[in-house]
Amino acid sequence: GAGVSQSPSNKVTEKGKDVELRCDPISGHTALYWYRQSLGQGLEFLIYFQGNSAPDKSGLPSDRFSAERTGGSVSTLTIQRTQQEDSAVYLCASSLSGITEQYFGPGTRLTVT
Amino acid sequence: GQNIDQPTEMTATEGAIVQINCTYQTSGFNGLFWYQQHAGEAPTFLSYNVLDGLEEKGRFSSFLSRSKGYSYLLLKELQMKDSASYLCAVRPGAGNMLTFGGGTRLMVKP
Repeated sequence: GAGVSQSPSNKVTEKGKDVELRCDPISGHTALYWYRQSLGQGLEFLIYFQGNSAPDKSGLPSDRFSAERTGGSVSTLTIQRTQQEDSAVYLCASSLSGITEQYFGPGTRLTVT
Repeated sequence: GQNIDQPTEMTATEGAIVQINCTYQTSGFNGLFWYQQHAGEAPTFLSYNVLDGLEEKGRFSSFLSRSKGYSYLLLKELQMKDSASYLCAVRPGAGNMLTFGGGTRLMVKP
């Protein structure tokens, strides 16, 4: 079946612009996660959605970052007033429930110039 | 805070066995995961341990000791395609978000 998909695959933006990254989880998966991976670094947790519960935003690095999940499916991660340190690969993952293994999408490579 | 340590790089020979270690100090523990990530690709799930002991899955095995805050991933009969980064991740609490180590880049040589 279809895996987790993300768009765009690559995004180059100028410092100060806003960007939106999209994630389509595996159908039927109730949990959705956003991580980012900077060059040569490990994955850093950003935000977690589980069903209809309030999202866990504890990993968001600043108030420039926000995410929403509409209809319990598609999610968008928005970064406002992008900075060069925001450059990274943003990975989305989904899982069948809140305790099972996570399946990752291919990521969006964000470059802020 | 959360701290997960694993070696940055390892090299091994095709056909051999390699063990990748991971030590963790986290505020809680509710499971440990290993993922494989080829360059430029998404991480893919390899194994999950929540109780002490060894979990075997084909050429890959993973071991956990909760009292020592220690896990290893064992890869047998190495193949060239096993060249990748191996990510150790801990689920610290009831929520399913994971805390990842920096990853171990494994290079398999002929």
